[in-house]
Amino acid sequence: KQEVTQIPAALSVPEGENLVLNCSFTDSAIYNLQWFRQDPGKGLTSLLLIQSSQREQTSGRLNASLDKSSGRSTLYIAASQPGDSATYLCAVTTGGSNYKLTFGKGTLLTVNP
Amino acid sequence: NAGVTQTPKFQVLKTGQSMTLQCAQDMNHNSMYWYRQDPGMGLRLIYYSASEGTTDKGEVPNGYNVSRLNKREFSLRLESAAPSQTSVYFCASKTMEGEPQHFGDGTRLSIL
Repeated sequence: KQEVTQIPAALSVPEGENLVLNCSFTDSAIYNLQWFRQDPGKGLTSLLLIQSSQREQTSGRLNASLDKSSGRSTLYIAASQPGDSATYLCAVTTGGSNYKLTFGKGTLLTVNP
Repeated sequence: NAGVTQTPKFQVLKTGQSMTLQCAQDMNHNSMYWYRQDPGMGLRLIYYSASEGTTDKGEVPNGYNVSRLNKREFSLRLESAAPSQTSVYFCASKTMEGEPQHFGDGTRLSIL
């Protein structure tokens, strides 16, 4: 059974700092990996999707990497801003089950002005 | 641009009551999903519909039923609500394999 772990569970940083969120998964036979953002009381917004054949994806100040063989992904946020404060969730689609996502429990990020 | 719309946004039920949560998407997506989100448990898949006319169980289907009414709509029914079903329920959809899922804003359900 696929399990997804996110470390740390919570992170507080000053504005302007670069930071890294970590995600690990137990079954490396994944189809893709996604990073989501969730604001309080809201649904999830997809940030980046990395296919299993890719090593990284970038969108603005966000960069996500994938090391499938070691079962790890990182989300790098450059020059953090208070508006980046949210919960960040990692999810994988495991090979053979192309429709279903398995989620980690998330990292709660607070960026202090 | 409505995206994925869930109704209602909030609901309080008594134990044993029944209820249907509604979800509709206007993006012509093929696949639709129902998740529940609980503190300390993360998001867990209840049921999904890979395409119109098909439904399959996810990780936590007990106590729920679903209907894929048409390509746009996917409903979740609680036949006899229990306090353990107090949660935030999210509906999601996507167009095809390899594409990201799009989520609604959730239904916050409390069962007393």
